[in-house]
Formats: sequence, structure tokens, C-alpha cells
Amino acid sequence: DTAVSQTPKYLVTQMGNDKSIKCEQNLGHDTMYWYKQDSKKFLKIMFSYNNKELIINETVPNRFSPKSPDKAHLNLHINSLELGDSAVYFCASSQTGNIQYFGAGTRLSVL
Amino acid sequence: GQQLNQSPQSMFIQEGEDVSMNCTSSSIFNTWLWYKQDPGEGPVLLIALYKAGELTSNGRLTAQFGITRKDSFLNISASIPSDVGIYFCAGQGNTPLVFGKGTRLSVIA
Repeated sequence: DTAVSQTPKYLVTQMGNDKSIKCEQNLGHDTMYWYKQDSKKFLKIMFSYNNKELIINETVPNRFSPKSPDKAHLNLHINSLELGDSAVYFCASSQTGNIQYFGAGTRLSVL
Repeated sequence: GQQLNQSPQSMFIQEGEDVSMNCTSSSIFNTWLWYKQDPGEGPVLLIALYKAGELTSNGRLTAQFGITRKDSFLNISASIPSDVGIYFCAGQGNTPLVFGKGTRLSVIA
């Protein structure tokens, strides 16, 4: 069983659309994260949730809205997609807040 | 905010050679982590370091937590083609985990 799973793996969409990416972890962790990896492979944290509560919200446009229905799930909804949103988005989870386990990523292309 | 300088940015080496990469921080960290990212996949943890001066091995990989708590290095011995990928250091102090910009390793058979 995959520990941290994201869907979809690939997402191609038109500018202006609204899309969601889902993440689930079966590790029993209480903290989940969303990262954005740009074309230069820089990993930048976007959000972190601990037990369904938002604890990190970096400088991210408010078009991005995370939602955590329970501590095993953290979804990312993006409104009015822009060209610059094209990137790989990674979900991660941790128990201690240190060692984070990553999903395989969602490759978003905005046309 | 905290910044990590990871070097080198990229490396091209012959199979069988040893590799060394390092990260330095502008401030003190309590934890250093090293991850590897294969093409099309997410980062996978290689080694975790929790104590200044700690030296930890994982197969052909060895990493050390610098005694100043502001740096860490990762060595790979006798490289093989499957070592290809991007290696990230990550550090945590009183703020969330911060990632270096990665070292892209290419191994020539």
C-alpha cells in the first residue's frame, strides 16, 4: 500500500479553470503538507495542517485553498488557474514534524 | 527567514567514483535530513540526523551533522547508475522544515 498517495498524477487544464488535487496518507500521521516544486526543482512549502487545523500558510495566492476533512486527507483546490501555477505539487505527511514522507507528486500544466 | 545553501548545484561523475555534497545554513538547525528524488517521483528520505557531530551511514551513503549545527554533508561511495537523481538537504530549527535547492547527480557508466 502506498503511504502517501496523490491524485491525479497528471493534470492538464486551461487557464481560468478550477481544479482540485487530493492527498491521502495511511501512516497515521497527524500533520500533512503541500509543497510546490517549480521547473528549477525548488521545493517550497505552501501549507501545513495538524489534526485538521491550518498551522502553516506561506505567501500563497488566495486562489489556493487547502481543505482537510480528516487528519488522513489534505486536498488542494485551485481557483482561476494561471500559467504560473504550472508546477509539480507534492503532498507530504509527518508525525513528529521532522521526517516528512512525500507522495509521488501531481504534475499540473496550465495551458 | 532561514536559508540553506546546497552545493554543488550539479555533478557529472563516472560510475565507481565517490561523491560529496553539502549544505550550509545561516542559522542553527536541530535536525538535518537528506532526501533523494528520482525522476517523476517524490523525495524519499535517505538519512536523518538529530545531534551535532552525528555521523550516520545507510549502505554506501554517509551523512554528518556539523558540530556548529549550521552544516551537513552527504557522501556517496562507489557510485552506480541508479544513484542518478536530485539530492536535497533539509533542516529544521524553530521554523518549519527548509529545503536546499538540490544537487543534481548524473552518473556516467
